[in-house]
Amino acid sequence: GQQVQQSPASLVLQEGENAELQCNFSTSLNSMQWFYQRPEGSLVSLFYNPSGTKQSGRLTSTTVIKERRSSLHISSSQITDSGTYLCAIGRTGNYKYVFGAGTRLKVIA
Amino acid sequence: NAGVIQTPRHKVTGKGQEATLWCEPISGHSAVFWYRQTIVQGLEFLTYFRNQAPIDDSGMPKERFSAQMPNQSHSTLKIQSTQPQDSAVYLCASSGGQNTLYFGAGTRLSVL
Repeated sequence: GQQVQQSPASLVLQEGENAELQCNFSTSLNSMQWFYQRPEGSLVSLFYNPSGTKQSGRLTSTTVIKERRSSLHISSSQITDSGTYLCAIGRTGNYKYVFGAGTRLKVIA
Repeated sequence: NAGVIQTPRHKVTGKGQEATLWCEPISGHSAVFWYRQTIVQGLEFLTYFRNQAPIDDSGMPKERFSAQMPNQSHSTLKIQSTQPQDSAVYLCASSGGQNTLYFGAGTRLSVL
């Protein structure tokens, strides 16, 4: 079965609204990353967060290992946040990350 | 820092032709990875090198795909006898050991 599941698959927000993206995984892990894929395709690492909570600007990632889930919270969304958010899991030192299918976010004015 | 550089950005080949994709990792990064992205399969791991040595190629289709890293400044992914199902965006990434992957812009391969 699929090792990494992301929800929702897609999301439309009004500018200024908050969003909570979920990533659930079926295997134990040591490494976990959130990526943002721009509409034109380039990928940017947002967080390396195998456990606990990390924040960067309007983004907050929380990973709870024992519950096999991670979330990405986007506050005060902006139109430029539009794109696809991907989570990926792996084992420490093993870069064979398994990616989720992503959440497609569209922020409208 | 120019980031990870992939060339070409787009490549169109005829069925049965060979395609070579190039990747220049971030200077100083010891690990280089190749991934493939399609709408149906999403992002799939292909192979990775550490300090130029092949570490894990478990994601590589065995018969027509090969990857090399002849020096620390570039890696190549070669696909022989390309087939329509090879059409995808091929992404290269590098890492300096902080468990963070830095991706290139990708090469979009279209096999006609």
